Amino acid sequence: TAGITQAPTSQILAAGRSMTLRCTQDMRHNAMYWYRQDLGLGLRLIHYSNTAGTTGKGEVPDGYSVSRANTDDFPLTLASAVPSQTSVYFCASSGAENTGELFFGEGSRLTVL
Amino acid sequence: RKEVEQDPGPFNVPEGATVAFNCTYSNSASQSFFWYRQDCRKEPKLLMSVYSSGNEDGRFTAQLNRASQYISLLIRDSKLSDSATYLCVVRGPSWGKLQFGAGTQVVVTP
Repeated sequence: TAGITQAPTSQILAAGRSMTLRCTQDMRHNAMYWYRQDLGLGLRLIHYSNTAGTTGKGEVPDGYSVSRANTDDFPLTLASAVPSQTSVYFCASSGAENTGELFFGEGSRLTVL
Repeated sequence: RKEVEQDPGPFNVPEGATVAFNCTYSNSASQSFFWYRQDCRKEPKLLMSVYSSGNEDGRFTAQLNRASQYISLLIRDSKLSDSATYLCVVRGPSWGKLQFGAGTQVVVTP
């Protein structure tokens, strides 16, 4: 069972370069999310999408953009990476409203130098 | 002040012992509460929801105290495989707003 697939698993990126983290789900979930996880800070929501065609800003959206052209894909783009964007990025999806069950991908570890 | 706060630990627990830890939340209008488990360098996974009346799932017991705005997790008869970071998650009043705590690390030792 694939669930949520993220790519790449890890990446080293030069500051100023752009990067797209890919996220694909096969569960037909409406809602999808991008989080970043940093030591001592927990998971912080970057952007979310409640359904295909709509997106919203989370807690830390600056420097990131997303799109939701279809139900399955929710890519996260860093237009011009900065070292403070070094983090582990998790994509997640949720199938029903008013539940707390998120299904996470395995994460993408990004290092910006 | 963080919306969800947890003692980072680590809680070092002998195998077979009981360990308990809390999580406090700041928004009194929070609707629902969850515990997630995260193994080292892995993705978080839902462990259990936390209901107002308290609930149990095998060796795990979760409690909610709305008056004092905290939830708790108790692990009985700890196993080596329980070693992980436990994330407290709180849903605010609006859809899409799940707040994650930074996690409590539990290390079960032989």
